[in-house]
Amino acid sequence: DGGITQSPKYLFRKEGQNVTLSCEQNLNHDAMYWYRQDPGQGLRLIYYSQIVNDFQKGDIAEGYSVSREKKESFPLTVTSAQKNPTAFYLCASSPEDYGETQYFGPGTRLLVL
Amino acid sequence: KQEVTQIPAALSVPEGENLVLNCSFTDSAIYNLQWFRQDPGKGLTSLLLIQSSQREQTSGRLNASLDKSSGRSTLYIAASQPGDSATYLCAVTVIIGAQKLVFGQGTRLTINP
Repeated sequence: DGGITQSPKYLFRKEGQNVTLSCEQNLNHDAMYWYRQDPGQGLRLIYYSQIVNDFQKGDIAEGYSVSREKKESFPLTVTSAQKNPTAFYLCASSPEDYGETQYFGPGTRLLVL
Repeated sequence: KQEVTQIPAALSVPEGENLVLNCSFTDSAIYNLQWFRQDPGKGLTSLLLIQSSQREQTSGRLNASLDKSSGRSTLYIAASQPGDSATYLCAVTVIIGAQKLVFGQGTRLTINP
């Protein structure tokens, strides 16, 4: 089955710790995205990547980092600099055609211990 | 800066009713507009995508309209069912190299049996 997978489903972070969220897609999409969702709010763009080895900051990139070493994978690291990391994180991908929708993964919920 | 607003934030109706969800956006320079469905703790599923040159799209009991000049879209759900209970998110696409989705806060819909 084609789709986007995210792991883990739940992640717990201790103070001062960096954590990495996984996102993998087998849709052969060029573009990938990371969003953050807070309760009762829409999604906000953290980072996006149009091609391997290239990525751009979104609206709320501070405290986050990404890499794009393979077309299928776009991991997100939440660093200790992100002071309010508790949120629901969603990964998405899309074809190069701007007329197509973005396809979303099931999400990872990050909680701070 | 593009802003998207959805009203109401929550809506509860009896089963069988027809209903309308509203979405407004501040900048008419959009590539397309999409409506997504999100079940609790899950990712997003695309329901309807309206290109900027189109006025409406239909899928089953769902009909979405777009009035770019006034910055408005509506999602009409006919003969609502308990299975329609979810959060509905509106998003406009702007092009910044890659396609960027700007989301509204969502409308949480409850259909009572």
